[in-house]
Amino acid sequence: GENVEQHPSTLSVQEGDSAVIKCTYSDSASNYFPWYKQELGKRPQLIIDIRSNVGEKKDQRIAVTLNKTAKHFSLHITETQPEDSAVYFCAASIAEYGNKLVFGAGTILRVKS
Amino acid sequence: SAVISQKPSRDICQRGTSLTIQCQVDSQVTMMFWYRQQPGQSLTLIATANQGSEATYESGFVIDKFPISRPNLTFSTLTVSNMSPEDSSIYLCSVGDRGPDTQYFGPGTRLTVL
Repeated sequence: GENVEQHPSTLSVQEGDSAVIKCTYSDSASNYFPWYKQELGKRPQLIIDIRSNVGEKKDQRIAVTLNKTAKHFSLHITETQPEDSAVYFCAASIAEYGNKLVFGAGTILRVKS
Repeated sequence: SAVISQKPSRDICQRGTSLTIQCQVDSQVTMMFWYRQQPGQSLTLIATANQGSEATYESGFVIDKFPISRPNLTFSTLTVSNMSPEDSSIYLCSVGDRGPDTQYFGPGTRLTVL
């Protein structure tokens, strides 16, 4: 089955710097790649997603890139702010397998002010 | 996106008992899923809740331990049966909204088993 690896497990950046989180997936049939942000004690929130027919997607300070050949995708956060501090999860799913999400292990992002 | 609620939000239970968690959506959705998030860990899919038929369970999860109901397109329940301390987790439902693959999560149920 699908396996998603996520790195780094923790990331500390200074406010205003950029943060990059990377994920790799194993099944080349994966076609949907969402990113979730989970603040302490709260539900995971979908912040951005990308489908396999697109190489890059941007939403204000957040962008996601996808390299299908290498089977990896990355989350980029620019001009980080303290409120960006949270756990970020990447995931992958395959339409033919019922769109079930397989999650990475998560990245704890700390933005220091 | 759909508004998703879960009941209870948290509970403390004794080992050997069962707890039923409810997931309610304010609009009809095709896909509903149940996930488990163990303390400090990622999310793991338990099963897909199918309307009008038996749930589809992932490897490592069985119907006797986690029976699921999906009586209609807005509601589902997950029961955690014969609980042990290892079942202490957050249980989250998610729904497919805005398309077959986009998933949004409910607020979760924090379960502690003593």
